[in-house]
Amino acid sequence: EAAVTQSPRNKVTVTGGNVTLSCRQTNSHNYMYWYRQDTGHGLRLIHYSYGAGNLQIGDVPDGYKATRTTQEDFFLLLELASPSQTSLYFCASSDGTISGNTLYFGEGSRLIVV
Amino acid sequence: GDSVTQKEGLVTLTEGLPVMLNCTYQTIYSNAFLFWYVHYLNESPRLLLKSSTDNKRTEHQGFHATLHKSSSSFHLQKSSAQLSDSALYYCALSENYGNEKITFGAGTKLTIKP
Repeated sequence: EAAVTQSPRNKVTVTGGNVTLSCRQTNSHNYMYWYRQDTGHGLRLIHYSYGAGNLQIGDVPDGYKATRTTQEDFFLLLELASPSQTSLYFCASSDGTISGNTLYFGEGSRLIVV
Repeated sequence: GDSVTQKEGLVTLTEGLPVMLNCTYQTIYSNAFLFWYVHYLNESPRLLLKSSTDNKRTEHQGFHATLHKSSSSFHLQKSSAQLSDSALYYCALSENYGNEKITFGAGTKLTIKP
């Protein structure tokens, strides 16, 4: 079973604050993803990556940066957090078409921006 | 771009009745993968079933779905709902064309009552 670990699990920050969400996967998957989950919108893709140093833009990238430092680690950066970024964030990994693009999700990081 | 539509945001059923959750999609890629993910409260979303084969029924854990490319649909069904089926269900699409972008619908919250 794939293992994807996110930290922190819960975070409260102020408007304008700087937040980094971390994600590590230990299954040698090439692909990693950051989604945000909001009621009525489902899971929306922020950024994704197919390897260290690679970054692909998702559907809701505004206000977010991401960096893939190694095959295992994918970070989501909010440099000027806003209340609209209050959400539940999920990281996921996949080995791509090898397994038919099955996503393995982390436990989620709940962010509140006040 | 790609899109996934789940028209029902909330579905409430009585235990024992059949379940049908609708999913339609739009993509220009003929070999797209379609998925159903299930998200139980306080857990991570996980794969329920997936398909890329036209008109072939896919089954898992009592649920089934058939990909119909002619109508761009991938509806999720179960013959008899159980209380434990209460969860958030997401339909998702992967282009399967090299960039591995995975797009989710808005989700359907299924509540099963005794």
